[in-house]
Amino acid sequence: GQQLNQSPQSMFIQEGEDVSMNCTSSSIFNTWLWYKQDPGEGPVLLIALYKAGELTSNGRLTAQFGITRKDSFLNISASIPSDVGIYFCAGRGNNDMRFGAGTRLTVKP
Amino acid sequence: DAGITQSPRHKVTETGTPVTLRCHQTENHRYMYWYRQDPGHGLRLIHYSYGVKDTDKGEVSDGYSVSRSKTEDFLLTLESATSSQTSVYFCAISAQSNSGNTIYFGEGSWLTVV
Repeated sequence: GQQLNQSPQSMFIQEGEDVSMNCTSSSIFNTWLWYKQDPGEGPVLLIALYKAGELTSNGRLTAQFGITRKDSFLNISASIPSDVGIYFCAGRGNNDMRFGAGTRLTVKP
Repeated sequence: DAGITQSPRHKVTETGTPVTLRCHQTENHRYMYWYRQDPGHGLRLIHYSYGVKDTDKGEVSDGYSVSRSKTEDFLLTLESATSSQTSVYFCAISAQSNSGNTIYFGEGSWLTVV
């Protein structure tokens, strides 16, 4: 199936800066999920969103389920070196689940 | 931690040999999935299971078979491995909460076919 449009593909930021990434789709989803993947590891769930318009935080992370149900964003505030990794979104519909290609985040101390 | 264990974590095998990857879960989840992850393609579904002996194909199922004889184990088999099957394989489960369904992944199995 067609994957989600995730942007940006990569980001190079300074420690302490805020980060924003987003995913869009032509399809409507019931659930949006955001994951972080470190090298050599599996994806780890960061935030799950279940309702259109929902805004959820997990520490320095905030994610929103778009009103149209076709998009979602993830913000990271005050980035730290351990935020380095690949972040990707997933959208779950009635019968399928699609993934973004990921945003590779590099944080310079 | 969703109680998912994959084995082996790393394997190198020769073209034409059979390979079986195992996914073991400890929390009695009904739905289990096998994905492969490749650069430029992201995560793609190979096969999934919705119960013991109940499986179905995903978008990249050619060359793969699965079996689920027990709730806790979901096996992925490459009958005759090819170099194009060099990849990272992730098992996942679907967990139901009061809010909705969430997918949790295992730690991955790195397979190299030489």
